[in-house]
Amino acid sequence: ILNVEQSPQSLHVQEGDSTNFTCSFPSSNFYALHWYRWETAKSPEALFVMTLNGDEKKKGRISATLNTKEGYSYLYIKGSQPEDSATYLCAKGGNTPLVFGKGTRLSVIA
Amino acid sequence: DAGVIQSPRHEVTEMGQEVTLRCKPISGHDYLFWYRQTMMRGLELLIYFNNNVPIDDSGMPEDRFSAKMPNASFSTLKIQPSEPRDSAVYFCASRGVSLSNEQFFGPGTRLTVL
Repeated sequence: ILNVEQSPQSLHVQEGDSTNFTCSFPSSNFYALHWYRWETAKSPEALFVMTLNGDEKKKGRISATLNTKEGYSYLYIKGSQPEDSATYLCAKGGNTPLVFGKGTRLSVIA
Repeated sequence: DAGVIQSPRHEVTEMGQEVTLRCKPISGHDYLFWYRQTMMRGLELLIYFNNNVPIDDSGMPEDRFSAKMPNASFSTLKIQPSEPRDSAVYFCASRGVSLSNEQFFGPGTRLTVL
C-alpha cells in the first residue's frame, strides 16, 4: 500500500444499525494514525489519535482499533444516529504532514 | 484560543481575478498547512510552513498559486489569475509540537470562480 486508503467510499445505514469502516496505510515509518470527523460545511474535527499497535480508543458510541504491523485501522459506530452522518477521514502521521485518505461518507437514515 | 481562523468564509469571483485567502493559525503553533478539498481528489495538501518558512510546496497546482507566511500569526494563499477549476473549499490547518502531530483545521474558505 503506497497511500492511505479508506473503504467503503460511502455507506448508508439505518438508524440504530452498527457499522464499521476501514483505513489502510503503509506500515513503514509509522508514527500515528488519526481519525477525523468531517460534517458538511464544517471543518474536520479530530476524533482519535492512535500510536501503538493494538491500540483501541473509544468516545461514546464510536471506537477505533489499530494494527500497525499490517497497516490498518477500523472505526466502529455502535447504534448509528442521524447526527453521525459525516465523512470520516483517516490520516497517517509522521515527521511529514498528515497523509489523508479520501474518507468514508456515512449517511444514517432515520 | 479561537482556533484556526480563515477569511473570507465564502468568495465568489470572476475568472481572471486575483483571489487572496487568509489564515491565522493557533497561537504557538509552528506548522501551518494549506489544503484544497474537491470531490475528485478529496483533501489535497498544497503547501506547508514550519516556523514561517515554506517546507514543501509540491502540492501547489500551478504557478498561479502562491503562499506566504510573513509572520507566525498570518498566512495567505493567493491565486492569480483565478480559473473556474480553482473552485473548491480551501482549508488552513496548524499544529504545534506534540507527540501526536494532531492538526487543527480552520472553517475553510469556499471559493467559486465564475
